[in-house]
Amino acid sequence: GAVVSQHPSRVICKSGTSVKIECRSLDFQATTMFWYRQFPKQSLMLMATSNEGSKATYEQGVEKDKFLINHASLTLSTLTVTSAHPEDSSFYICSAIGSGDGNQPQHFGDGTRLSIL
Amino acid sequence: GQNIDQPTEMTATEGAIVQINCTYQTSGFNGLFWYQQHAGEAPTFLSYNVLDGLEEKGRFSSFLSRSKGYSYLLLKELQMKDSASYLCAPLDSNYQLIWGAGTKLIIKP
Repeated sequence: GAVVSQHPSRVICKSGTSVKIECRSLDFQATTMFWYRQFPKQSLMLMATSNEGSKATYEQGVEKDKFLINHASLTLSTLTVTSAHPEDSSFYICSAIGSGDGNQPQHFGDGTRLSIL
Repeated sequence: GQNIDQPTEMTATEGAIVQINCTYQTSGFNGLFWYQQHAGEAPTFLSYNVLDGLEEKGRFSSFLSRSKGYSYLLLKELQMKDSASYLCAPLDSNYQLIWGAGTKLIIKP
């Protein structure tokens, strides 16, 4: 149980393109979803936390107008990287938890490797 | 501030036992997770400790001492597929996971 699907797994595109990444919880209702970014050999960096039906909470230093997050349903959250540039190239990972206590394990999608040329 | 301290890299032999230590400092504490992350992949959940003591799950065990701000992950009967990074992630008072860079474990035949 607790499967999270993330799509696409890899994106290569030109600078200035906007890229949308989807994160779906397949067998549970994800009341909270998290978006992370990870650069090579570095720790996971939380970008934002989103709760279904409300605006995402962004971490300090993350531009909310550049990284648009939508969590319109209990099974889907999307991250759109607008006007992506080479410095946005990274590994983007979503995770989700269901309803209940905040100490549930986060279940991760497979990640999206974004390469901006 | 919030801080996680784990060894950067460890090497062990196939079939052996290895212990990965983690010390942490957080604003409040609501338990500690261990995740496994293979290179180029997302993390996968291994264990969760909220009370002091040892939690055993197959070849993997995790220990917690809240008073010492200390945890370890014990891996027995090491297999080549266990080569990965192991992430110690405590949950702070806001139920936010605090991530370190993890420990890269290299298994040799």
